[in-house]
Amino acid sequence: SQKIEQNSEALNIQEGKTATLTCNYTNYSPAYLQWYRQDPGRGPVFLLLIRENEKEKRKERLKVTFDTTLKQSLFHITASQPADSATYLCALARGYNKLIFGAGTRLAVHP
Amino acid sequence: NAGVTQTPKFQVLKTGQSMTLQCAQDMNHNSMYWYRQDPGMGLRLIYYSASEGTTDKGEVPNGYNVSRLNKREFSLRLESAAPSQTSVYFCAIRDRGGLLYNSPLHFGNGTRLTVT
Repeated sequence: SQKIEQNSEALNIQEGKTATLTCNYTNYSPAYLQWYRQDPGRGPVFLLLIRENEKEKRKERLKVTFDTTLKQSLFHITASQPADSATYLCALARGYNKLIFGAGTRLAVHP
Repeated sequence: NAGVTQTPKFQVLKTGQSMTLQCAQDMNHNSMYWYRQDPGMGLRLIYYSASEGTTDKGEVPNGYNVSRLNKREFSLRLESAAPSQTSVYFCAIRDRGGLLYNSPLHFGNGTRLTVT
């Protein structure tokens, strides 16, 4: 069955640096992949979607790449800020109406 | 999170007790979902409803039942709670129509359930 792997260790970086988070998946390549942000005690919030025929997608300081050969998506936050500290989840399509999620990677941006 | 309201926010149950988690949306979306989130496990799909009047099992449906009461409301019922059902439960909604199958999920802020 399809599995998603995100680094379970927290990523600690200095303010102003670029944070890069990884999402690896097994088996088939999904039609699209989504990234969400989750703050403690809150539900996930959608950030970006990238389709299988797109190599890269950008939104302000966020960039997502999708490599179907490597079965990997990278999520970048440039010029990171302490307010970017959160857990970031990747999700991919499974069938028509389902999304499956990775366990998420916690990002801590230090001033 | 605007649009999806979950009640209650917290609940403590004893083993064997039953309860219903409520979810209501005001975004007029067709699809509604129930996920549970456990440390290190990610969000796991329990049940979903692609549209009013339909429900389907997700990855972990055992021990749960659902009701899509109308387009706005989707409830999750635990008939006989077990400690393994201690978790945070999230309701989510998604629009659906035409080629919008890749539209994002909108989540509520969860119900934190402890079963002792």
